[in-house]
Amino acid sequence: AQRVTQPEKLLSVFKGAPVELKCNYSYSGSPELFWYVQYSRQRLQLLLRHISRESIKGFTADLNKGETSFHLKKPFAQEEDSAMYYCALSKGTYKYIFGTGTRLKVLA
Amino acid sequence: DTGVSQNPRHKITKRGQNVTFRCDPISEHNRLYWYRQTLGQGPEFLTYFQNEAQLEKSRLLSDRFSAERPKGSFSTLEIQRTEQGDSAMYLCASSLAGGDLNEQFFGPGTRLTVL
Repeated sequence: AQRVTQPEKLLSVFKGAPVELKCNYSYSGSPELFWYVQYSRQRLQLLLRHISRESIKGFTADLNKGETSFHLKKPFAQEEDSAMYYCALSKGTYKYIFGTGTRLKVLA
Repeated sequence: DTGVSQNPRHKITKRGQNVTFRCDPISEHNRLYWYRQTLGQGPEFLTYFQNEAQLEKSRLLSDRFSAERPKGSFSTLEIQRTEQGDSAMYLCASSLAGGDLNEQFFGPGTRLTVL
């Protein structure tokens, strides 16, 4: 069965420290993977997608098919990065399967 | 605001009542999705439309739930005989089939509380 696992419900780091939000997936085909972010009182918005191999707001994520992972990383956390982060897998070209999310708190 | 909009933003109802939510997608988007999110969980897929055709329904969508998208524009999600377990955030998203890498744009959600 297709599944996305985010093992950490909460991750607290100090400002300037590196951040890694973990995401593992289970999927038999070729996945499309995304990271979505939800800032306080805002809607879900796309942060990154694996196929673009881009860096947004200093975040990067690499798809590791061997480890079935798509971890989100940032070398130096900023207070404005505090938010809820969801990893999502897309089946074909439509619905998403989301993980349970990780709340990132960046402490001053 | 040209993003996805949802109404109402909040709905409180008594168990057994019917409720209807509306979603207006981004105007040129032909795909529309409904998700449900409960506390501590990520959004869970309910159903999706391409234009006016409902192409998939999750097993989460019991017979009490019905969704429509007449004319392929806005969509409604109706829950009949609500139960306390229906309390959740209901999210709508839209995307453009064949568009940029399957990015879905989400609305602000409708929070349903069933008393």
